[in-house]
Amino acid sequence: QVQLVQSGAEVEKPGASVKVSCKASGYIFINYYMHWVRQAPGQGLEWMGIINPSGGSTSYAQKFQGRVSMTRDTSTSTVYMELSSLRSEDTAVYYCARRAGAHLDYWGQGTLVTVSS
Amino acid sequence: DIQMTQSPSSLSASVGDRVTITCRASQSIITYLNWYQQKPAKAPKLLIYAASSLQSGVPSRFSGSGSGTDFTLTIASLQPEDFAIYYCQQSYSTPWTFGQGTKVEIK
Repeated sequence: QVQLVQSGAEVEKPGASVKVSCKASGYIFINYYMHWVRQAPGQGLEWMGIINPSGGSTSYAQKFQGRVSMTRDTSTSTVYMELSSLRSEDTAVYYCARRAGAHLDYWGQGTLVTVSS
Repeated sequence: DIQMTQSPSSLSASVGDRVTITCRASQSIITYLNWYQQKPAKAPKLLIYAASSLQSGVPSRFSGSGSGTDFTLTIASLQPEDFAIYYCQQSYSTPWTFGQGTKVEIK
């Protein structure tokens, strides 16, 4: 069965960086794009970007350009999302989600990133 | 960016009620519209994709309709497990954008 398992919660100081992982299993990793979506406490869902696990190409939301980097490791079927220059507004749950066609059919369990001094 | 606007923002309903949630896009998205359900402290779950296709395993009381700019999610007979927040999302163009959510509460 398809599973996306994310790394554990992180606490970071303002200005630092955080790297969240998402390990995929149960399907052919390189055949499905992976998206990242975040959700601030009590707020809605915000799309961050996408990575093609096959070639590694990426596309990021304008809001995060220059601060976000999405990478993958095909040997471990894992994608990574790194966000730098963290500020308090980046406190959120970060999700990876598999793209099937034009929708997100499987989601990771979420990783809480807390930015606090 | 394409703006997605849901209405209402919240609603109260009873078990067995028919519930309708609407979603409007700021421009035509044809049928590139998906619906997700989210329960507290859980990841979103795909319910409907391509405006009207039911995701595998989702109960048939959920249905979606619409095209262009106006879309609807209908729950034919609300069940206790359906109390949650529902989001629409467009995948017509990047950045993919979500509606602000509709919270369905128990009356």
